[in-house]
Amino acid sequence: AQRVTQPEKLLSVFKGAPVELKCNYSYSGSPELFWYVQYSRQRLQLLLRHISRESIKGFTADLNKGETSFHLKKPFAQEEDSAMYYCALNNAGNMLTFGGGTRLMVKP
Amino acid sequence: ETGVTQSPTHLIKTRGQQVTLRCSSQSGHNTVSWYQQALGQGPQFIFQYYREEENGRGNFPPRFSGLQFPNYSSELNVNALELDDSALYLCASSLEDTQYFGPGTRLTVL
Repeated sequence: AQRVTQPEKLLSVFKGAPVELKCNYSYSGSPELFWYVQYSRQRLQLLLRHISRESIKGFTADLNKGETSFHLKKPFAQEEDSAMYYCALNNAGNMLTFGGGTRLMVKP
Repeated sequence: ETGVTQSPTHLIKTRGQQVTLRCSSQSGHNTVSWYQQALGQGPQFIFQYYREEENGRGNFPPRFSGLQFPNYSSELNVNALELDDSALYLCASSLEDTQYFGPGTRLTVL
């Protein structure tokens, strides 16, 4: 069965420090993975998807099929990056399986 | 602004009652998905509707049902409410492969 695991509930870093939010998945087919973000008092929104291989707000994520991981990285954290981050797997037709989420706190 | 709206914002019900939650999708988005997000957890997929037909369902019992209408609105109905149904309910409309989430309805079951 498909599963997405985010091992850290909370990640706290100082401004300017590197950030890595971990995501591991289990899926029998070819995975399609996303990162969603929810800023305070805002709705869930798409941050990036592995297919597009883009960098959004300085974040990147590389799909590692060998390690079944899709970690989210940013070299220098900003205070405005503080938010809840969810890794999600597309089972088929946009039916998403989400991880439990990681709260990122960037301290000044 | 994605244009996906949900009503009501908050709702309190008692165990055994029935509830209907509503979602208005962006115009032209013919797919709507519903998710349940319990406190401290990620969203869990309930079901999806495409052109007014259910075309996918997660691990939820039949007392969770839905409808999608031609005007891009949809409903989530839950019968025989249980305490564990207390959660934030999210709808997401999509066109092609991008989902746009609504702000959610917070349901509390007492």
